[in-house]
Amino acid sequence: DSGVTQTPKHLITATGQRVTLRCSPRSGDLSVYWYQQSLDQGLQFLIQYYNGEERAKGNILERFSAQQFPDLHSELNLSSLELGDSALYFCASSVVPSSGRADEQFFGPGTRLTVL
Amino acid sequence: TQLLEQSPQFLSIQEGENLTVYCNSSSVFSSLQWYRQEPGEGPVLLVTVVTGGEVKKLKRLTFQFGDARKDSSLHITAAQPGDTGLYLCAGASGTASKLTFGTGTRLQVTL
Repeated sequence: DSGVTQTPKHLITATGQRVTLRCSPRSGDLSVYWYQQSLDQGLQFLIQYYNGEERAKGNILERFSAQQFPDLHSELNLSSLELGDSALYFCASSVVPSSGRADEQFFGPGTRLTVL
Repeated sequence: TQLLEQSPQFLSIQEGENLTVYCNSSSVFSSLQWYRQEPGEGPVLLVTVVTGGEVKKLKRLTFQFGDARKDSSLHITAAQPGDTGLYLCAGASGTASKLTFGTGTRLQVTL
């Protein structure tokens, strides 16, 4: 158990819909990262927040957005869902943002999103 | 765009065999991590290497960071069924905190 929790574990929805994925970081971790893992694309970094502010952005679509709340939990919002958005979405947390070296990131169990 | 290519993509071996997984890039990384991911779970960090030429050992696993910090290898001695999983390398560069993950190596160890 990494200490990172994600809900829900599974989510099935239809194209065009909007969903929200939730992540609670490990106690004391200020940084939260979101990743998408699909069979053909591997693990792709989406976005990072540190202490409530956006820190780094990866290949995140405009239809997707995220935020980190004062209690440090984070939500990833996916809208206008398409079939290709079906994937595993992971949240990870770390203590401090990188200062030239990688943080130790602890991953949650993921949310499996299926878009029908 | 930084790319991390892993080889082989798939590896099926018998218990007791040795194996090496490679992680290669044309980019320089300030540090590199190796993760193992089991089905239905998130990746779990195994090791972080920072210095070019660095070698780290974790029981039967030996990790090496290339001298130029562009590549890395993971060697498993006497593989066991419990080593089965998806092995991912991930690199960080500069002041960026995001990790670039490799393409992954799926290892299956059978009795």
